[in-house]
Amino acid sequence: GNSVTQMEGPVTLSEEAFLTINCTYTATGYPSLFWYVQYPGEGLQLLLKATKADDKGSNKGFEATYRKETTSFHLEKGSVQVSDSAVYFCALNINTDKLIFGTGTRLQVFP
Amino acid sequence: GAGVSQTPSNKVTEKGKYVELRCDPISGHTALYWYRQSLGQGPEFLIYFQGTGAADDSGLPNDRFFAVRPEGSVSTLKIQRTERGDSAVYLCASSTRWDTEAFFGQGTRLTVV
Repeated sequence: GNSVTQMEGPVTLSEEAFLTINCTYTATGYPSLFWYVQYPGEGLQLLLKATKADDKGSNKGFEATYRKETTSFHLEKGSVQVSDSAVYFCALNINTDKLIFGTGTRLQVFP
Repeated sequence: GAGVSQTPSNKVTEKGKYVELRCDPISGHTALYWYRQSLGQGPEFLIYFQGTGAADDSGLPNDRFFAVRPEGSVSTLKIQRTERGDSAVYLCASSTRWDTEAFFGQGTRLTVV
């Protein structure tokens, strides 16, 4: 079946540290890949996406590259800020109406 | 409205009772989705509406769960004979169509005691 696996949290970093949150997927077909973010007290928001192999999604300093050979879509940011503290969800969609989400990774950034 | 609105934000009910959860999508969005997020898990798809009709209800866990969208705008998720295992955050999202960005509400936290 189709699924998403992401690293367990929490990930705890100091401000300006480099961030990687790993995400791998299993899919029958060619999925689109997404990262969603949930800030405290807010709804899920789309952070970035990539729709085909080797595409790079980017937004707010975050990046993720669709790697078909490793079935991965790891989220990276070069210098995190306290305001990036949130829960991050990797998700996929295969030409359907439904998103399949990972379990989420909590990021805590301390000054 | 400016975003997807869900009411109530919190609901506590007794086991066996009936509950309704409401979702007001972004104006003009024809696609509407319900997801359920249990503690420590990612959201799981329940049902998708395109306009007034349920185009995909494959995620509804059993026949105690039902959703409607009679006028193609507001949707109500209905749960009969609630069980403690139904406790979760129920998320609603809307989009202009099925393959465009979905905007999520803040969810309704349902607790069955």
